Amino acid sequence: DAEITQSPRHKITETGRQVTLACHQTWNHNNMFWYRQDLGHGLRLIHYSYGVQDTNKGEVSDGYSVSRSNTEDLPLTLESAASSQTSVYFCASAGQANEQFFGPGTRLTVL
Amino acid sequence: AQSVSQHNHHVILSEAASLELGCNYSYGGTVNLFWYVQYPGQHLQLLLKYFSGDPLVKGIKGFEAEFIKSKFSFNLRKPSVQWSDTAEYFCAVKDTDKLIFGTGTRLQVFP
Repeated sequence: DAEITQSPRHKITETGRQVTLACHQTWNHNNMFWYRQDLGHGLRLIHYSYGVQDTNKGEVSDGYSVSRSNTEDLPLTLESAASSQTSVYFCASAGQANEQFFGPGTRLTVL
Repeated sequence: AQSVSQHNHHVILSEAASLELGCNYSYGGTVNLFWYVQYPGQHLQLLLKYFSGDPLVKGIKGFEAEFIKSKFSFNLRKPSVQWSDTAEYFCAVKDTDKLIFGTGTRLQVFP
């Protein structure tokens, strides 16, 4: 069965460190998305990609970057982690029908 | 750009009570609308979606939603909730190829 996976599931890091969160999907979807989920804010879009070599900024992109070198993966990098980036991060992918399928999430704590 | 409002932030019900969660989007035209559910500790799953046709949409687990174009609304309903419906519910609207999410409604159902 096709699926979308994220790793790690939990991560604790220190302020200023670079962190990369992995997202891998086997749906063969062109569209992939990264969200953060915070209490009172719902899901906010960080970055998204419509295909290989395509990346776009979302609503809350400052301090984050993504790269898309193949269809399956969209890693999210925090260049210099800040405490404000403590959150739960969800990756999603979508096909033609725009129905998004979500990964299990990564809980990131920045100390 | 589209925006989504979910006015009920926290709803508490007893089992067998009826449920209606409000969702309003910001402007009209052709809209694609979604309701997602997030059970405690899990990722988001699609409950139902509206693209066109019958404005009354049936989803999984006995949920339904009605698209009312004149009111810019897509409210979620269930005639009789169960304890297992305890979760967070997110309404979303498609904006180009992205989804814009509401801030979510936390539903607690007590036996």
